[in-house]
Amino acid sequence: SQTIHQWPATLVQPVGSPLSLECTVEGTSNPNLYWYRQAAGRGLQLLFYSVGIGQISSEVPQNLSASRPQDRQFILSSKKLLLSDSGFYLCAWTSGGVETQYFGPGTRLLVL
Amino acid sequence: DQQVKQNSPSLSVQEGRISILNCDYTNSMFDYFLWYKKYPAEGPTFLISISSIKDKNEDGRFTVFLNKSAKHLSLHIVPSQPGDSAVYFCAASLISNFGNEKLTFGTGTRLTIIP
Repeated sequence: SQTIHQWPATLVQPVGSPLSLECTVEGTSNPNLYWYRQAAGRGLQLLFYSVGIGQISSEVPQNLSASRPQDRQFILSSKKLLLSDSGFYLCAWTSGGVETQYFGPGTRLLVL
Repeated sequence: DQQVKQNSPSLSVQEGRISILNCDYTNSMFDYFLWYKKYPAEGPTFLISISSIKDKNEDGRFTVFLNKSAKHLSLHIVPSQPGDSAVYFCAASLISNFGNEKLTFGTGTRLTIIP
């Protein structure tokens, strides 16, 4: 069966510090991968998606970037965090085509 | 521009009664709709979906209705149970230029089931 992992579960970082959140998927190959953010009082906003290694599409201009160094690994990064980057970050995957997306457990990021 | 809207941020329903959660969308190109359930500090879990070519899909206690002319869908839960208390997100799907699914989510409705 397929599983999706995210870490860390919780992170508190000062403004201006770098960020690296990792997401890995097991039990499948060549998944489509997604990063979402849920900010306080808002829905889930799609940040990035990837259909293959090294291929990243950005949905909204922002302070964050994403990379996919391996088939089942998706990384969310920032060089300098802003207060507005606080939120709950979710990674999701599908095996391709029009299918339900399955979400990881999420990372709660608090920027102080 | 919020393309998927859930206008009720919260809803309280008595246990055993029907819960109805509503969702409106503006983009007629959406071709697939999904409902997710989310507990605090966890990732959303898939509940039920419906293709744009259908108007109803049922799975146990959960039924989703789609009214394309009104660009409206709803999730019915009957009978409602305490474990149904969670935030429910409506999502709509488009296919990207790469052929993969892109979901646009609503802002969520917090459902509270009163014992």
